[in-house]
Amino acid sequence: QQQVKQSPQSLIVQKGGISIINCAYENTAFDYFPWYQQFPGKGPALLIAIRPDVSEKKEGRFTISFNKSAKQFSLHIMDSQPGDSATYFCAASMNSGGYQKVTFGTGTKLQVIP
Amino acid sequence: NAGVTQTPKFQVLKTGQSMTLQCAQDMNHNSMYWYRQDPGMGLRLIYYSASEGTTDKGEVPNGYNVSRLNKREFSLRLESAAPSQTSVYFCASSGEEVFSYEQYFGPGTRLTVT
Repeated sequence: QQQVKQSPQSLIVQKGGISIINCAYENTAFDYFPWYQQFPGKGPALLIAIRPDVSEKKEGRFTISFNKSAKQFSLHIMDSQPGDSATYFCAASMNSGGYQKVTFGTGTKLQVIP
Repeated sequence: NAGVTQTPKFQVLKTGQSMTLQCAQDMNHNSMYWYRQDPGMGLRLIYYSASEGTTDKGEVPNGYNVSRLNKREFSLRLESAAPSQTSVYFCASSGEEVFSYEQYFGPGTRLTVT
């Protein structure tokens, strides 16, 4: 059962444009929503994260928008650059018996063209 | 400070062979995880260890075993490899504190079972 749905699967954006990736979750027990960035041949790395008591978080060109009532959150990449080309995973997390139970989305492959 | 390291980086096995994937972290983290990544399916948790001396099954544990050798090391063993276990395997760790949210990933092991 896919508890975190991510779209689109792939995205092509021109340099300088805005990249938008959307995610939806089902379990209201999730209390932490990270986004991971993965370059080819590398492991995922935390990009930015938000907690459900906040509607928006911005770090540089990266912004998470969070809608608790709709159980949706999205990643916006402003002024997208070729170096942003990577696969992005949204995730939802909660404490479960002393560890972080993380459910990942299926990933979005972003390509930023010059 | 190497973070999370994994060996080997690549491995080809024949059906029925066994192997152990090694993982070590130098961040004094309590929790460690093994994920597999398959195209279109995101990352799925195989096993985790919330703290030294404990291990538990994740979402897809069948065909795998784990050992938390000490606080630094967490190994994943395939006793009798099957083609369905062809995947990229990632080890991750989190938290000096018990409820620490960010997971740090290793570079991955690409496994092909023929």
